[in-house]
Amino acid sequence: DQQVKQNSPSLSVQEGRISILNCDYTNSMFDYFLWYKKYPAEGPTFLISISSIKDKNEDGRFTVFLNKSAKHLSLHIVPSQPGDSAVYFCAATYSGNTGKLIFGQGTTLQVKP
Amino acid sequence: IAGITQAPTSQILAAGRRMTLRCTQDMRHNAMYWYRQDLGLGLRLIHYSNTAGTTGKGEVPDGYSVSRANTDDFPLTLASAVPSQTSVYFCASSSVTGNEQFFGPGTRLTVL
Repeated sequence: DQQVKQNSPSLSVQEGRISILNCDYTNSMFDYFLWYKKYPAEGPTFLISISSIKDKNEDGRFTVFLNKSAKHLSLHIVPSQPGDSAVYFCAATYSGNTGKLIFGQGTTLQVKP
Repeated sequence: IAGITQAPTSQILAAGRRMTLRCTQDMRHNAMYWYRQDLGLGLRLIHYSNTAGTTGKGEVPDGYSVSRANTDDFPLTLASAVPSQTSVYFCASSSVTGNEQFFGPGTRLTVL
């Protein structure tokens, strides 16, 4: 039972354009969501997060949107750069889950120069 | 040491052998985690520890054991490796009040 789903295994965009990565979840208890970025042969690194009390969080070129009614979140990267090419994982947790994260399958983003 | 280190970087192991993956952090984080990453499945939690002396089971604990004798170290042991345990293993840590986890560089394990 995949509680966090990233239905697009891959995404390709042109440099300078917007990248939109999507994530859906099924567990209504989730109240905190994170995005991680992973380069080959490296561990995932934290990118941006959002609490369920918000519907948007922005950090530079990265913005995460949360739609609680649809149980959907998305990561927008504007403008996309070749260095953004990586695997992106969304993750979710809830208060009382003692920090345990549930990860999606990941989406591989390729930004073409 | 800065952050989280894992050893070995990679390992090829015969089925049935015992193997311990090492993880050390220097951030004085209370919580530590072990994940495995498999294509199409993302990262799945194997075991976790909220503080030294305590451990808990994650999503896929079977075939693995952990110990947490002190704050810094969190080894993962495969008592008798099987080919389905071929994967990339990541150790992570976080502060007790934080949701953000910091990951090590991973160990690529192949069980033949």
